[in-house]
Amino acid sequence: EVQVVESGGDLVQPGGSLRLSCVGSGITFSDQWLNWVRQAPGKGLEFVANIKPGGSLRRHLDSVEGRFTISRDDAKNSLYLHMNSLRRDDTAVYYCMIGLTIWGRGTLVTVSS
Amino acid sequence: DVVMTQSPFSLTVTLGQSASISCRSSQSLVQSSGNIFLSWYQQRPGQSPRHLISQVSNRDSGVPDRFSGSGSGTDFTLTISRVEAEDIGVYYCLQYYYWPHTFGQGTKLEIK
Repeated sequence: EVQVVESGGDLVQPGGSLRLSCVGSGITFSDQWLNWVRQAPGKGLEFVANIKPGGSLRRHLDSVEGRFTISRDDAKNSLYLHMNSLRRDDTAVYYCMIGLTIWGRGTLVTVSS
Repeated sequence: DVVMTQSPFSLTVTLGQSASISCRSSQSLVQSSGNIFLSWYQQRPGQSPRHLISQVSNRDSGVPDRFSGSGSGTDFTLTISRVEAEDIGVYYCLQYYYWPHTFGQGTKLEIK
């Protein structure tokens, strides 16, 4: 059975930092594009970042460029999102998506003072 | 960024009837090879999104054949025939041809 589990979400003050993690089982990460997608409370879906197999290409949404960094560790079947200078409008559930088909349950990031 | 516009915003359907959701992209999603990078997702209340269809019309394994996708260029449609109670939720289209990949705003399906 394929399982994808995100972790690392928390309540953080504006300007703070977090690192989100995503670990997969039953699927090999190394062959896949890996993605982070977020959903603000009561809102739609927004693509945040993705990373190519091998890690040679990483792309970030303009509004998070320079603040967030996506990375992967295929030996650990893991995906990460390093988040700095967090803003209130970064508040959302962050989903890990493997390829374009497999989603985790998400982890909640709340940016508030 | 490519804008994906879905219509309607919400849809109320009688059990057993059909539902159609439109998705229009602000740019063509057709690659020179003929591939079209358009997917559909379902998000049931309180759940993560679920992948339904890729490349316009290819159903994911386990997705009932009541779900079908069609379209080309900039206009796409998700059709749910014989709607069942378990189909309630929000449906999103996604273009993954351009970066940033962009979702439609979502269409909420309710049962009458």
